[in-house]
Amino acid sequence: QVQLQESGPGLVKPSETLSLTCTVSGVSTSNSYWSWIRQPPGKGLEWIGYIYYSGHTNYNPSLKSRVTISEDTSKNQFSLRLRSVTAADTAVYYCARGWTTVTTYPPFFDSWGQGTLVTVSS
Amino acid sequence: DIQMTQSPSSLSASVGDRVTITCRASQSISRHLNWYQQKPGKAPNLLIYDASSLQTGVPSRFSGSGSGTDFTLTISSLQPEDFATYSCQQTYSTPLTFGPGTKVEIK
Repeated sequence: QVQLQESGPGLVKPSETLSLTCTVSGVSTSNSYWSWIRQPPGKGLEWIGYIYYSGHTNYNPSLKSRVTISEDTSKNQFSLRLRSVTAADTAVYYCARGWTTVTTYPPFFDSWGQGTLVTVSS
Repeated sequence: DIQMTQSPSSLSASVGDRVTITCRASQSISRHLNWYQQKPGKAPNLLIYDASSLQTGVPSRFSGSGSGTDFTLTISSLQPEDFATYSCQQTYSTPLTFGPGTKVEIK
């Protein structure tokens, strides 16, 4: 059974860097697509990006200039860094596993972490 | 980017009702459409992928249909645990995009 758990600071100052880590258990991060998705309070879901197959990445163009997703396969973790944050980046951040089928690519998300609220405020 | 819209934005229904939620894509996405259920304070849960394939463990009262730009999620007989927000997502191309959600409330 795949389990994901986000960790990181719940409060980040404007202009600083948001850093989150997702720890995966039950499956190796060497396979599948590992993604970050966020949800501002009271709003819909926004895909941030994913990392897959030995470090390849795909980012949402709306965030691409500020985002880095990386992985540490030895720890079965992957991480998000979002630079130069503003209040608009306040959201619940989810990590999720992306999965593909013979008829589906890019991936849908079949396992999610519980989410972590990150507030951007001075 | 492919824009996803949903209707209605919210609905009230009773236990046992048949409920239908619609999702529309701004361009054809073939059958690359997925549905998620989200309860307050919880992560989304995948219900349907590839427009009509039921995710393992999801009750058979949930079903999906459609192709191209118009899709439907149907709950055949609404149960108390089904009161939640339902969102669609396209996986035709990146950036992956989600619909704004449909909140299903108790009448």
